[in-house]
Amino acid sequence: QVQLVQSGAEVKKPGASVKVSCKASGYTFTSYDINWVRQATGQGLEWVGWMSPNSGNTGYAQKFQGRVIITRDTSISTASMELSSLRSDDTAVYYCARSNNFDYWGQGTLVTVSS
Amino acid sequence: QAGLTQPPSVSKALRQTATLTCTGNSNNVGNQGAAWLQQHQGHPPKLLSYKNNNRPSGISERFSASRSGNTASLTITGLQPEDEADYYCSAWDSSLSAHVFGTGTKVTVL
Repeated sequence: QVQLVQSGAEVKKPGASVKVSCKASGYTFTSYDINWVRQATGQGLEWVGWMSPNSGNTGYAQKFQGRVIITRDTSISTASMELSSLRSDDTAVYYCARSNNFDYWGQGTLVTVSS
Repeated sequence: QAGLTQPPSVSKALRQTATLTCTGNSNNVGNQGAAWLQQHQGHPPKLLSYKNNNRPSGISERFSASRSGNTASLTITGLQPEDEADYYCSAWDSSLSAHVFGTGTKVTVL
């Protein structure tokens, strides 16, 4: 069965960087795009960016341009999202989701930014 | 960046029908159609429908989606207690080259 398993919760100080990983199983990793979406507590969903694991092509929401990098390691079927220059309002649960239809989701990774 | 507009809440009685709307523009909903996601408190979202009315395997026929112009709709028939959740629409915006989400609708089953 398709599964996306994300790395564990992180606590970071303002100005630091965080890297969240998403390990895919149950399907051919390179056949579907991976999207990253975040959700602050009590708030809605916010798209961060996407990557094609096949080509390595990426696209980012304008809001995160210059602060986010999405990468992949096809040898271990894992996508990663790194967000830098963290601020308190980056505190959120970060999800990876498969495909442009968001058909499968990871369990979410809580990133807390606090001094 | 611009998002899609959804009513904040919808309340309906058990076994009644709820219709949720999602309004965008010709660059997103009107062009590519919308997907619908359901999210229960403390859980990741779950895909209910994509490209307007394609249901993934395992999704109840009680959920049906449609689109008219720049507005997408999700109809939930025979409301059940487990349908209480937040519902989000999503679409690809060709002018932004970005996915955009709706503001979310909280469904309450009375």
